[in-house]
Amino acid sequence: GDSVTQMEGPVTLSEEAFLTINCTYTATGYPSLFWYVQYPGEGLQLLLKATKADDKGSNKGFEATYRKETTSFHLEKGSVQVSDSAVYFCALHSGAGSYQLTFGKGTKLSVIP
Amino acid sequence: GAGVSQSPSNKVTEKGKDVELRCDPISGHTALYWYRQSLGQGLEFLIYFQGNSAPDKSGLPSDRFSAERTGGSVSTLTIQRTQQEDSAVYLCASSAMTQETQYFGPGTRLLVL
Repeated sequence: GDSVTQMEGPVTLSEEAFLTINCTYTATGYPSLFWYVQYPGEGLQLLLKATKADDKGSNKGFEATYRKETTSFHLEKGSVQVSDSAVYFCALHSGAGSYQLTFGKGTKLSVIP
Repeated sequence: GAGVSQSPSNKVTEKGKDVELRCDPISGHTALYWYRQSLGQGLEFLIYFQGNSAPDKSGLPSDRFSAERTGGSVSTLTIQRTQQEDSAVYLCASSAMTQETQYFGPGTRLLVL
């Protein structure tokens, strides 16, 4: 079945540090890939997505590239801010005939001033 | 425009009582999803609606859980005879069509005492 594996957290970084959160997946077909973010006390928000190989999703300074050859979708940001502190979830949608998202377990990021 | 809304935002109940959780999807979205987020299990898919029909109920954890959707809009998730292990955040999402991006509500935090 489909699965998503994210790096274990928590991750603590100083402001302006470089961020990478690793995500790899196993899926049938040609999945779409997503990063969702959950700020403290809030629901999930879509951060970015990519629907086919080599696509790059980007939003709010975050980027992730769909790598089919390595089945990865790593999240990166060049300079994190305190306001980026949240839990980040990698997810996939298998595509035709599928409807549910399969999520990784989430990575908690704390950015300190 | 308005996003997905859920009510109540928090619910505390006693073991054995029934609870109803409500979801209002984004207007015009035909697909609606319920997920459960708990500490030990991460994000689990519960059920999916296309219009008023639920083609797949396999994610519902037991027959104490049921859900309905009326008028292709509002959905209600009902948990009968609640147990302490039902304590979790229940998230609702909607999408324009089945394979489109899912947008999440803020969730209902359920605590069963």
